Amino acid sequence: EVRLLESGGGLVHPGGSLRLSCAASGFTFSSYAMSWVRQAPGKGLEWVSAISGSGGSTYYADSVKGRFTISRDNSKDTLYLQMNSLRAEDTAVYYCAKDTKGGTLGLFDYWGQGSLVTVSS
Amino acid sequence: EIVLTQSPGTLSLSPGERATLSCRASQSVSSSYLAWYQQKPGQAPRLLIYGASSRATGIPDRFSGSGSGTDFTLTISRLEPEDFAVYYCQQYGRSPPTFGQGTKVDIK
Repeated sequence: EVRLLESGGGLVHPGGSLRLSCAASGFTFSSYAMSWVRQAPGKGLEWVSAISGSGGSTYYADSVKGRFTISRDNSKDTLYLQMNSLRAEDTAVYYCAKDTKGGTLGLFDYWGQGSLVTVSS
Repeated sequence: EIVLTQSPGTLSLSPGERATLSCRASQSVSSSYLAWYQQKPGQAPRLLIYGASSRATGIPDRFSGSGSGTDFTLTISRLEPEDFAVYYCQQYGRSPPTFGQGTKVDIK
């Protein structure tokens, strides 16, 4: 059974930093690209960032480019999102999502339960 | 980026009725790389349809997708109580992947 378990969310002040983790199980983690997708309270879904299965290619939404860094540790089956210079508009539930391919296709067949990040003073 | 516009915003129907949800893209979606997801309150999205018309694993056949180019449709043939939720379309043919704003299907 595929499982994705996010952690690391919480309350942070504007300008602060936070690192999200997503522990994966039930599939060969290194064979699949992974993404982070966020959802602001009461709003729709927004793709944030993606990383290929090998970790050699990364992609970012313009809204987070230069502030967020996606990475993965295939020896630990874990995905990360380092978030710096956080803004109020980054407040959202952050989901990790498994791609259907090793390269980043952008089609997500499994999602974690989400981790809430709140940016507020 | 490709902008997806879903209509209607809310669809009020009764169990057993047919639901038709629309998704229109600002540019042609290459290779029909269009997906539909279902999201219930407090839950993560669930993949229903990919490639515009292929059902994901375990999805009942009352869910069907159609369309190509810029116009796509999700049809639920007979609504079951568990189908009342928010539905999002998503294109993955061109980076960045983008989602529609969602259609809420609620109980009339």
